[in-house]
Amino acid sequence: NAGVMQNPRHLVRRRGQEARLRCSPMKGHSHVYWYRQLPEEGLKFMVYLQKENIIDESGMPKERFSAEFPKEGPSILRIQQVVRGDSAAYFCASSPAGGAEQFFGPGTRLTVL
Amino acid sequence: QKEVEQDPGPLSVPEGAIVSLNCTYSNSAFQYFMWYRQYSRKGPELLMYTYSSGNKEDGRFTAQVDKSSKYISLFIRDSQPSDSATYLCANAGGTSYGKLTFGQGTILTVHP
Repeated sequence: NAGVMQNPRHLVRRRGQEARLRCSPMKGHSHVYWYRQLPEEGLKFMVYLQKENIIDESGMPKERFSAEFPKEGPSILRIQQVVRGDSAAYFCASSPAGGAEQFFGPGTRLTVL
Repeated sequence: QKEVEQDPGPLSVPEGAIVSLNCTYSNSAFQYFMWYRQYSRKGPELLMYTYSSGNKEDGRFTAQVDKSSKYISLFIRDSQPSDSATYLCANAGGTSYGKLTFGQGTILTVHP
């Protein structure tokens, strides 16, 4: 009865490097969502994906950030040329159908040095 | 004005107390209302999921939604030290049901 899985759980990058965060949804779920939690702030929506499609990317920063959910394999959130302000906890959630009942993973904590 | 407002607390109560947590929201399009519990350095855990106005009960937890006043509540009966966590309200609706809008979270401590 595996829940949403995220890896790595902790990721350290130096400024200018790339960060790749992976998310495997719960079994039977085909909808994936990414959220970011900055220190002392609430969870903010970033992007909503279905297999091979981006449904809503209204929360994604315009530059350096991208996300995909391929036909096979996990969803990937990619951050290019990381800066210190990218340090945060990144959470992935999944749902069986597109909607509000979402189940979250344990998160990836990104630290940019 | 934030779309979802939540008093960050912290809130400290003795074990066995009834806890009331609240959020207000401004977006009339919201139709789905959730409460999540988040322990320190963990992912949010879905506690309650409700649609439109009304009450929903699950064990010691009761969620209330009043769409006319844009006010949502979570009540915890017989609170336990294990309930100590951050409680997040979240709303969704309108044109994007997949986009959850969260409150800031209320930090709750239940002391023995």
